[in-house]
Amino acid sequence: NAGVTQTPKFQVLKTGQSMTLQCAQDMNHEYMSWYRQDPGMGLRLIHYSVGAGITDQGEVPNGYNVSRSTTEDFPLRLLSAAPSQTSVYFCASSDPPGGAFFGQGTRLTVV
Amino acid sequence: AQSVTQPDIHITVSEGASLELRCNYSYGATPYLFWYVQSPGQGLQLLLKYFSGDTLVQGIKGFEAEFKRSQSSFNLRKPSVHWSDAAEYFCAVGRLLNDYKLSFGAGTTVTVRA
Repeated sequence: NAGVTQTPKFQVLKTGQSMTLQCAQDMNHEYMSWYRQDPGMGLRLIHYSVGAGITDQGEVPNGYNVSRSTTEDFPLRLLSAAPSQTSVYFCASSDPPGGAFFGQGTRLTVV
Repeated sequence: AQSVTQPDIHITVSEGASLELRCNYSYGATPYLFWYVQSPGQGLQLLLKYFSGDTLVQGIKGFEAEFKRSQSSFNLRKPSVHWSDAAEYFCAVGRLLNDYKLSFGAGTTVTVRA
């Protein structure tokens, strides 16, 4: 059972480039979320989804888009990368009240 | 709005000693509380959670946490620390059953000395 799988694990982008961070879960969870982790700030919610076709913004959504066409996948798109988006990104899936399960993270550097 | 404060940025503890990590939360309704652990370069692993019932919660790896509503606290404890407990620990709060919209504290880094 793979759980939550994120790809890639590492990525370097140039300012202005776009990319998609992939997230897939095999637990048939309805709920999925994207967080970013920055030093001294814990994790902050970017976007979340409560089911296929339903997404909403979290605390720090600017510069990111999401879609949820299937239960399993929840990709995060950076439209035009900026140095401020240098961070570690975590995808999570959950099935309340079990708590959220996190992927291994994607470390993104924007130069 | 919900928020979490972890007052200690870094704690150093000797192997075999007890450990307590503090967590204070702000939330207007019944909170849904979590502790996660993150080893270097890894994702977050759920240690334990609380949303109702007994206020002393047992988790994995020998950890426990106590919910104190009057103090808005959810402190994590372990009676005897092992070197493998060196990691970063995060407290998180959410609305009941909404564990997809969590607010995290800034984290506490635990160093274990021999």
